[in-house]
Amino acid sequence: EVQLVESGGGLVQPGGSLRLSCAASGFIFSDYFMDWVRQAPGKGLEWVARIRIKADSYTTEYAASVIDRFSISRDDSENSLFLQMNSLEIEDTAVYHCARVGRNGGTTDYWGQGALVTVSS
Amino acid sequence: AIRMTQSPSSLSATTGDRVTIACRASQDINIYLAWYQQKPGKAPKLLIYGASTLQSGVPSRFSGSGSGTDFSLTITYLQSEDFATYYCQHYSSYPLTFGGGTKVEIK
Repeated sequence: EVQLVESGGGLVQPGGSLRLSCAASGFIFSDYFMDWVRQAPGKGLEWVARIRIKADSYTTEYAASVIDRFSISRDDSENSLFLQMNSLEIEDTAVYHCARVGRNGGTTDYWGQGALVTVSS
Repeated sequence: AIRMTQSPSSLSATTGDRVTIACRASQDINIYLAWYQQKPGKAPKLLIYGASTLQSGVPSRFSGSGSGTDFSLTITYLQSEDFATYYCQHYSSYPLTFGGGTKVEIK
């Protein structure tokens, strides 16, 4: 069974940093691209970032709203995905989901339950 | 960035109804379109990808159609467990973007 479990969320002041982790199990993690997607309270879904696999040099893509502030990475030996978030803004307050990119052309087929990040003074 | 516009933003229906949700892309995305269902407090669930391909395990009362810029999700014979919010998402280029969502409520 595919499982994705996020951790590392919490309360942080504007301008601060936070690192989210996602523990993956039930599939060969190193074979799949991975995404972070967020959802602000009461709002819709926003794609944040994607990381490819080793064969694609672990290249990354980002939403314009987070580029130069957020960094996605992975540790295939630990079956883990990360999101380093710097220079956090109030608008970054959201539940952050990690999601597996399926072998279906590029959309996500499994999602974690998410980690809440609250940016507030 | 490609803008995804869903309509309506909400609708009321009863069990047994046929429901259709529309999604329009601001430019041609071929068939790189997915539909998700989300229930309160839960992670989104993939229903359809490639505009019309049903994800494994999804009931056949869900169907998708369209290509280019205009797409739709249809639920035939709405069931109680289908009351949720539905999102379309394109994955034709970066950044990936979602529609604003359609909340299907009980009439």
